[in-house]
Amino acid sequence: EAQVTQNPRYLITVTGKKLTVTCSQNMNHEYMSWYRQDPGLGLRQIYYSMNVEVTDKGDVPEGYKVSRKEKRNFPLILESPSPNQTSLYFCASARGTALNEQYFGPGTRLTVT
Amino acid sequence: KNQVEQSPQSLIILEGKNCTLQCNYTVSPFSNLRWYKQDTGRGPVSLTIMTFSENTKSNGRYTATLDADTKQSSLHITASQLSDSASYICVVSSTDSWGKFQFGAGTQVVVTP
Repeated sequence: EAQVTQNPRYLITVTGKKLTVTCSQNMNHEYMSWYRQDPGLGLRQIYYSMNVEVTDKGDVPEGYKVSRKEKRNFPLILESPSPNQTSLYFCASARGTALNEQYFGPGTRLTVT
Repeated sequence: KNQVEQSPQSLIILEGKNCTLQCNYTVSPFSNLRWYKQDTGRGPVSLTIMTFSENTKSNGRYTATLDADTKQSSLHITASQLSDSASYICVVSSTDSWGKFQFGAGTQVVVTP
């Protein structure tokens, strides 16, 4: 089944404890992206990757890191999480970007205390 | 200021009735506009993608329109069903930054029996 998977789905952590949210897709897509969704603000793009070893900042990259060493994986790293990073995170992938639809993962709900 | 504004924020409609959601954007130069449906707690699912040259696109009971001159789009839902209860999100991208997407805050639609 074609899908985007994220792990973990739920995470409660404390301020400053490094964490990684994994994202994997099995559709051989070149494009992958991370978003956060907060009430009243909608989805905002954190980082995106047009292909392996190519990453770019979205609108809200502060406090996050990403890497794209393999085509199928695009982990999101929070080196020192803070409470304002409490949010619902979505990973998405697409075959290119121009007019190809994005497929979203199920989401990761992160709480930083 | 958000470059994609949606209205209304929310609406309630009776099952079987039609409704229209609005999206105004300032993203420029324009590349394409997408509508997504997001069920509570799930990732968004693509409904339509339109380019500058398209002014109407349908996906079942969903019909999107685009007026690139006035930078407005609408999503019309025909003969609503209970399963249409969801948030509908307008997303716009620019030819200046492939891979970046600007999201509206969404319109929450509730269909009642």
